[in-house]
Amino acid sequence: DVKVTQSSRYLVKRTGEKVFLECVQDMDHENMFWYRQDPGLGLRLIYFSYDVKMKEKGDIPEGYSVSREKKERFSLILESASTNQTSMYLCASRRTWRGSEAFFGQGTRLTVV
Amino acid sequence: TQLLEQSPQFLSIQEGENLTVYCNSSSVFSSLQWYRQEPGEGPVLLVTVVTGGEVKKLKRLTFQFGDARKDSSLHITAAQPGDTGLYLCAGPYSGAGSYQLTFGKGTKLSVIP
Repeated sequence: DVKVTQSSRYLVKRTGEKVFLECVQDMDHENMFWYRQDPGLGLRLIYFSYDVKMKEKGDIPEGYSVSREKKERFSLILESASTNQTSMYLCASRRTWRGSEAFFGQGTRLTVV
Repeated sequence: TQLLEQSPQFLSIQEGENLTVYCNSSSVFSSLQWYRQEPGEGPVLLVTVVTGGEVKKLKRLTFQFGDARKDSSLHITAAQPGDTGLYLCAGPYSGAGSYQLTFGKGTKLSVIP
């Protein structure tokens, strides 16, 4: 059974903390993505990676960074958490083909207080 | 930017009713996908449509890709409470960015027993 696994289901962090969200996939996919999902705004792409050590900014990269040291692992880093980063964070992976499926993790509900 | 507009944003119906939700764009897509997301989970792929005019059926769900490949619809016959969820359409970016997907904001469906 193919899987994308996110390290935490729920997280509560304080303003100013450095936060790490981890994502692992077992499908040998080239591409991995981090989205945030907020009511009324849909899924917004933060960063993506199309190969190890390669990364590209998505639509809303400000306040975030990413790391991809191994093909199966893609980490999202909030350098200094702020309350407006309270959101649902979703990791996904897919192959590079127009019709390929995106596989999502179960999501991390992050609350910054 | 290739945008996908979904309508309606919210839909609440009684069990047994039929419904149709729409996904529209001014851009041509090489394929479109429909995902369903249940509360607290990541989206899961329902179907991929690739050919203009294509119709695919998945039990009580019928998906259609427009002839011009700019729009798609999802029709549910005799809706059941288990159909409740957020329905998202998605399509690949064109050209070199085809490993990315763009998502609509979704239709939130509630089926009342």
